[in-house]
Amino acid sequence: GQNIDQPTEMTATEGAIVQINCTYQTSGFNGLFWYQQHAGEAPTFLSYNVLDGLEEKGRFSSFLSRSKGYSYLLLKELQMKDSASYLCASTGFQKLVFGTGTRLLVSP
Amino acid sequence: DAGVTQSPTHLIKTRGQQVTLRCSPKSGHDTVSWYQQALGQGPQFIFQYYEEEERQRGNFPDRFSGHQFPNYSSELNVNALLLGDSALYLCASSFSRGPLNTEAFFGQGTRLTVV
Repeated sequence: GQNIDQPTEMTATEGAIVQINCTYQTSGFNGLFWYQQHAGEAPTFLSYNVLDGLEEKGRFSSFLSRSKGYSYLLLKELQMKDSASYLCASTGFQKLVFGTGTRLLVSP
Repeated sequence: DAGVTQSPTHLIKTRGQQVTLRCSPKSGHDTVSWYQQALGQGPQFIFQYYEEEERQRGNFPDRFSGHQFPNYSSELNVNALLLGDSALYLCASSFSRGPLNTEAFFGQGTRLTVV
């Protein structure tokens, strides 16, 4: 089966750190993507994890635990422009299965 | 190097009509996948094309069909449009022989409104 769960909405303050969690159940699992999507725009790639552990890319980091079917996206030093939806997507058999996305609101 | 490009960017159609959306993959990519994203939802997989054939299909009716051309570009066709087909249609491309599904690049999407 294919199932992705992530929180619907989160709020945080500018300069803070926020962690967005994602759990998945995916047949033929081949990796976990995180995308950022601003309203009315297409998703833009943030990270891809295929092995367990933490991948760091500037202010954004992503973690994967394959045994637990769990990932998180960590955003540091939040900026107002980080207000967006964050989509978790697992890959199984060459296609992406998306969660509904987590809408992050960053306030001053 | 152009990324994934889609056309048109916006489209308004009437119920019952037919629509064709187009996608050119990123240079070097040979696989094209189409997704439908309704407002407030995550993208839903429609189908994927590789070597000019539909390789996988999601849970969408036969009104949704597609095609891939020898230059790897692709079309999505939707017949007998319903109001519920109003959505952002996204195209993603990837390289089939890349290491374990490398980044899936999305086009800017086509916003389809059915009235």
